[in-house]
Amino acid sequence: ETGVTQTPRHLVMGMTNKKSLKCEQHLGHNAMYWYKQSAKKPLELMFVYSLEERVENNSVPSRFSPECPNSSHLFLHLHTLQPEDSALYLCASSRKKGGSNTEAFFGQGTRLTVV
Amino acid sequence: QKEVEQDPGPLSVPEGAIVSLNCTYSNSAFQYFMWYRQYSRKGPELLMYTYSSGNKEDGRFTAQVDKSSKYISLFIRDSQPSDSATYLCAMSGTGNTPLVFGKGTRLSVIA
Repeated sequence: ETGVTQTPRHLVMGMTNKKSLKCEQHLGHNAMYWYKQSAKKPLELMFVYSLEERVENNSVPSRFSPECPNSSHLFLHLHTLQPEDSALYLCASSRKKGGSNTEAFFGQGTRLTVV
Repeated sequence: QKEVEQDPGPLSVPEGAIVSLNCTYSNSAFQYFMWYRQYSRKGPELLMYTYSSGNKEDGRFTAQVDKSSKYISLFIRDSQPSDSATYLCAMSGTGNTPLVFGKGTRLSVIA
């Protein structure tokens, strides 16, 4: 248990569905991230929230919509996804210290399958 | 040139061997260096965390950072089958720069 909890662990959705991924951290961190991990590819950073403000959006399609209501919670809203969006979606959190991001702690991920 | 280079392997070693995993990087602003271990279908787990150059040891694991060569290493002594996983290096600098990851090296330790 890393202190970062993701739900659901597995999700199967059709291309016309709308669903949300949830992440919660209990570490007192002030930065949270969404990463996408596809087979045989490196981790792809999707979104960064620092002090609840989105500071980075790595050219992610608009069918992915993040939300960070407070420093402990992060959501990823999904709609009209494509089969190629099937992947492991990982949430992570870290603490900004002296202007730098310290080590990140990951949740167990949500395995998403788009059919 | 990619910001972080890591040989994806796969790397297969016998039980008890010493394993050396490496990453090179191009951004001299990186100051924080991490190694993560990821088992199949799980999230990455932080293994080692080092600030700036030097060595850090934790049990069978030793992390080395050589900032002058822009090269980091993870050594695993007396490797065990339970060490079989993908190992990812990660690093960050100052400001809002998030972690930058290597592709990961898949390691198999054969009993």
